[in-house]
Amino acid sequence: AQKVTQAQTEISVVEKEDVTLDCVYETRDTTYYLFWYKQPPSGELVFLIRRNSFDEQNEISGRYSWNFQKSTSSFNFTITASQVVDSAVYFCALSGMNTGFQKLVFGTGTRLLVSP
Amino acid sequence: KAGVTQTPRYLIKTRGQQVTLSCSPISGHRSVSWYQQTPGQGLQFLFEYFSETQRNKGNFPGRFSGRQFSNSRSEMNVSTLELGDSALYLCASSLVGVKDSANTIYFGEGSWLTVV
Repeated sequence: AQKVTQAQTEISVVEKEDVTLDCVYETRDTTYYLFWYKQPPSGELVFLIRRNSFDEQNEISGRYSWNFQKSTSSFNFTITASQVVDSAVYFCALSGMNTGFQKLVFGTGTRLLVSP
Repeated sequence: KAGVTQTPRYLIKTRGQQVTLSCSPISGHRSVSWYQQTPGQGLQFLFEYFSETQRNKGNFPGRFSGRQFSNSRSEMNVSTLELGDSALYLCASSLVGVKDSANTIYFGEGSWLTVV
C-alpha cells in the first residue's frame, strides 16, 4: 500500500524566515511520482512540483527548493525567506505505476502560517 | 490556457437528495479524476475517467458515481445524500502520455457541498 506522512500539522514562522516542510512516503512501486501542492483558503490545489522516482536531482524554483532522497523515502520542501503570501496548507502526494499514475495518495497536509 | 473548471462552486442540499457536479478539464487533457476533501478524512481519491471509461476507483460506496463525455468533460453524481457527504469535491485533469510531464495532475477550485 502507498502512504504519505506529513508529521508537521502546523508551522508558524515570521516573514523572511526559512521553513522546511517534511514529507515521508511509502510505496512498493519502483516507478512513482511525488508531488507538492499548495492549497490557499479558496480551496484550489495549486501544483508546485512533480518528481519521478528516477530523478533524485534537487530542484530550485525561486524561493522554493525540494530535496528528494530515495534512501530515506523523503521529499522535503523548503521555502527560503518566507512571505505572508506563502501562508497556506501544503500537501505532499504520491502516485505509482501499479495503482495508477493518476491516482494520488495525499498526506494530511501542513498548515504554514507566515506572520509579518 | 484555461485551467480545470468546476461548477457549481458552492451548493447546499438536503439529506436524501442527489447532486451532480461538473468538471471541464484543461484543453487536451484526457484523464479526469475526482477527489473528496473533508476535515476528518483528508483528501481521498474517488475515481478516474479516461476516454469515457472509468479506469480507477477509490473506496467509496456506490452512491458516488461519475461519467466522462467524448469531449473529456466529466460529471460526478452523489445520490441519497448524507450529512457526511459535506465536503470539498475537487476535480483534476492530466494529459496522460509517454512523456514524463504528461503525468502532471492539475486541480480545479473545487465544489463546496453542504448537506443539511
